[in-house]
Amino acid sequence: NAGVTQTPKFQVLKTGQSMTLQCAQDMNHEYMSWYRQDPGMGLRLIHYSVGAGITDQGEVPNGYNVSRSTTEDFPLRLLSAAPSQTSVYFCASSFSGGPYEQYFGPGTRLTVT
Amino acid sequence: KNEVEQSPQNLTAQEGEFITINCSYSVGISALHWLQQHPGGGIVSLFMLSSGKKKHGRLIATINIQEKHSSLHITASHPRDSAVYICAVKSQDSNYQLIWGAGTKLIIKP
Repeated sequence: NAGVTQTPKFQVLKTGQSMTLQCAQDMNHEYMSWYRQDPGMGLRLIHYSVGAGITDQGEVPNGYNVSRSTTEDFPLRLLSAAPSQTSVYFCASSFSGGPYEQYFGPGTRLTVT
Repeated sequence: KNEVEQSPQNLTAQEGEFITINCSYSVGISALHWLQQHPGGGIVSLFMLSSGKKKHGRLIATINIQEKHSSLHITASHPRDSAVYICAVKSQDSNYQLIWGAGTKLIIKP
């Protein structure tokens, strides 16, 4: 099993550009989520999904879109990048319906200039 | 006030010392997670517990539900234990979302 994979590992964008961060898991997990991690702060939930076709907003959803067309994939789209979106982004997955262990991807370090 | 508070924020110790990192929370929970993040690296789940105590190698996690408190202990600490340790709780009010602590940065000096 590859676990949770994320691409790219690093990305530099100019303000106003759009891009998609990719996340995939091969563990048949229903629950997938996107977090951002900023210095001195805990992980903050951006969006999450409890299954294909079902997504919902987390704590900091503004400026981001998600979709979940398959169980395996959960891409995060930045619509018009802003310097405030400079952060490290983590995708995570787990089984749902109870407290299950979370599996994290390796992260994407995004810089917006 | 944050719903999940960790202490200390930073901890530096000598190799071999016994390490304790604390996590207090203010909500009713169904589970508590301890995770580890190495510098520049990903996040790995260490423990998930809802009562009592769990042990894995030199790591021990305990939880006291009545006091809403958990501790992560590291025995015979080693420089490779240097990392950020993060506590997160699954609220009873949510099926999915976790509430995250800010993390404790641990440095073990040889």
